[in-house]
Amino acid sequence: AQSVAQPEDQVNVAEGNPLTVKCTYSVSGNPYLFWYVQYPNRGLQFLLKYITGDNLVKGSYGFEAEFNKSQTSFHLKKPSALVSDSALYFCAVRDMYNFNKFYFGSGTKLNVKP
Amino acid sequence: NAGVTQTPKFQVLKTGQSMTLQCAQDMNHNSMYWYRQDPGMGLRLIYYSASEGTTDKGEVPNGYNVSRLNKREFSLRLESAAPSQTSVYFCASSEWAQVQETQYFGPGTRLLVL
Repeated sequence: AQSVAQPEDQVNVAEGNPLTVKCTYSVSGNPYLFWYVQYPNRGLQFLLKYITGDNLVKGSYGFEAEFNKSQTSFHLKKPSALVSDSALYFCAVRDMYNFNKFYFGSGTKLNVKP
Repeated sequence: NAGVTQTPKFQVLKTGQSMTLQCAQDMNHNSMYWYRQDPGMGLRLIYYSASEGTTDKGEVPNGYNVSRLNKREFSLRLESAAPSQTSVYFCASSEWAQVQETQYFGPGTRLLVL
């Protein structure tokens, strides 16, 4: 079975500091991993993805994520947080046996304080 | 290019009432999805449609029915609403044949069942 876990319900960081939002995955075979962001009262927006290739993936709004196969992790990072980054972040994995299915983590609320 | 649209944005129902949530996409995607989002549980797949004329159950299909009216439209019906169906519902679309393709989400429908 494919799954992802986000171990932190909430992450607090001061503006200007680096941020990390954690995600671990459990899949058989090569994972297809995604990060999404959800602002209040909005739908999810795509941030970045890992399909194959470089372990460091760059995405929208200055975010990046590091794929680590040995630790089965795909942590979302940003070197310098902005107050406007405050939102709910979801990690997701695409089912490699049924491309129509995506499995989402429970979400991590990021709070960036001025 | 509106992306994925959903109607209504908000609805209050009484237990036992029925309603249909509408979703449309203008990206010519083959696959469409219905998710529900509940606090602390991330997004859970209700039903999906890999192509026009086909539908399949997701993780939590009980109490719901769907119709893939054409390639653009995918509706979700609650025949007899229950308080446990109070949630935020998201429609999404994707091009399933492309593994690198992400999902595109609508703005959501907030449903309250009293």
